[in-house]
This record gives sequence, C-alpha cells and structure tokens, in this order.
Amino acid sequence: DTGVSQDPRHKITKRGQNVTFRCDPISEHNRLYWYRQTLGQGPEFLTYFQNEAQLEKSRLLSDRFSAERPKGSFSTLEIQRTEQGDSAMYLCASSSSRVTSYGEQFFGPGTRLTVL
Amino acid sequence: QKEVEQNSGPLSVPEGAIASLNCTYSDRVSQSFFWYRQYSGKSPELIMSIYSNGDKEDGRFTAQLNKASQYVSLLIRDSQPSDSATYLCAVNRLGGTSYGKLTFGQGTILTVHP
Repeated sequence: DTGVSQDPRHKITKRGQNVTFRCDPISEHNRLYWYRQTLGQGPEFLTYFQNEAQLEKSRLLSDRFSAERPKGSFSTLEIQRTEQGDSAMYLCASSSSRVTSYGEQFFGPGTRLTVL
Repeated sequence: QKEVEQNSGPLSVPEGAIASLNCTYSDRVSQSFFWYRQYSGKSPELIMSIYSNGDKEDGRFTAQLNKASQYVSLLIRDSQPSDSATYLCAVNRLGGTSYGKLTFGQGTILTVHP
C-alpha cells in the first residue's frame, strides 16, 4: 500500500498526558498537512510542511501542539497536557507540488483521540 | 459568513435517482475545488476535483463549477446505497501564503434508500 499511513489509529489518554501521532505521507509527496475533525464538522487545518520546513500554522493551534517533519519524510504531531476538548480525529494528508498538480490532497486513515 | 458552505442535509434519495450536492465559497481567489466522500468513522476520500468553469464528468459523478457565482456542485447519477456517506466540499488557493491548505464545508449527509 503506497497511500498515507498514520499511527496509532486510536489513542485513549487521560487529561494532562502528552500524546504523539505519526504520519507517513505518499513517498513522492513533499507537502504534508495536519487537520483535525470533530463530529459533524469538516476537517480543520492545523499545520503544513513543505519538505522539512513548517511553513504555516493555524492561529487556532494552541501552544500545546507541536509538529515536526525531520528530513522531510514522516511527520509527528505532539499534544502536550491534553484536554478533553482535544478529543477529535487527527488527519494527515499529503500532496505533490509538481507544476501539474492542482493541490489534490490524499488523506490517511486518521488517529482518533479520546481524552478522558 | 462561513468560507465554505454546503446545503444543509441530510439528503435522502431513492436508489437510481440523481443526488445533487451544492457548495458555495466566499474567497474569490480560490483556485481548486474538491469533493471528498467520507464514510462514518473513516477518513475523507477524494472523488472529484475541478479547476475550470464548466462540467467535469467521471463515471457516475459530475462536478460543476461556476466561479462567477462562487458555486460548485456534485451530481451523482444512478445513486446506489453504497453512495450513502457524508460529502465534503473543499477549496484551496495555490500561491501566496496559503500553501494550498484546504478549507472544508461542514459536509452533507447523503442517504440512498433502496
């Protein structure tokens, strides 16, 4: 399977704990995005990487959230001191920046986070 | 006004009928438009993309774009029960400082009943 992969698929944690999610994009894609989706809503943009550089971060993103993409390959999203409001599906997507691309993004299966 | 708005659902159609899903957007510089299908508990799956005014057909799906009216729609012909899902409209603009992030509507739930 050469699609976007995410790990873990489900995470249950207690309030105040730290969690980290991993995303492996499609191998030839240099753009990587993180989104968050809550029930009944469309995905909401969190942050964007082109290769290893984090070029955009949502103003809605708390300082408790941090993301990295070392070496421009996989990416991690860490949430520190989790709160119940962080419970959501965290989605990773990747796309190509080739001239022929119009920005189609392909999503991974997501990580469902539940904060107790 | 929300950046991307979809017609409120849920939408229920009989099997074999045409399902029509609508979306409007507020950012006039939006360049690319996408329809994603999302089954319950799953992640969004890209089913159509459109960049130019007019119609684009792919199998039973037709996307329509009208940039002057800031309107994009998705038609599903010969609807099947397997088409029952939430359909998400998404827009982006490339270049500048947007970096191609997608802005989504809230989604329209489609139910196709036998």
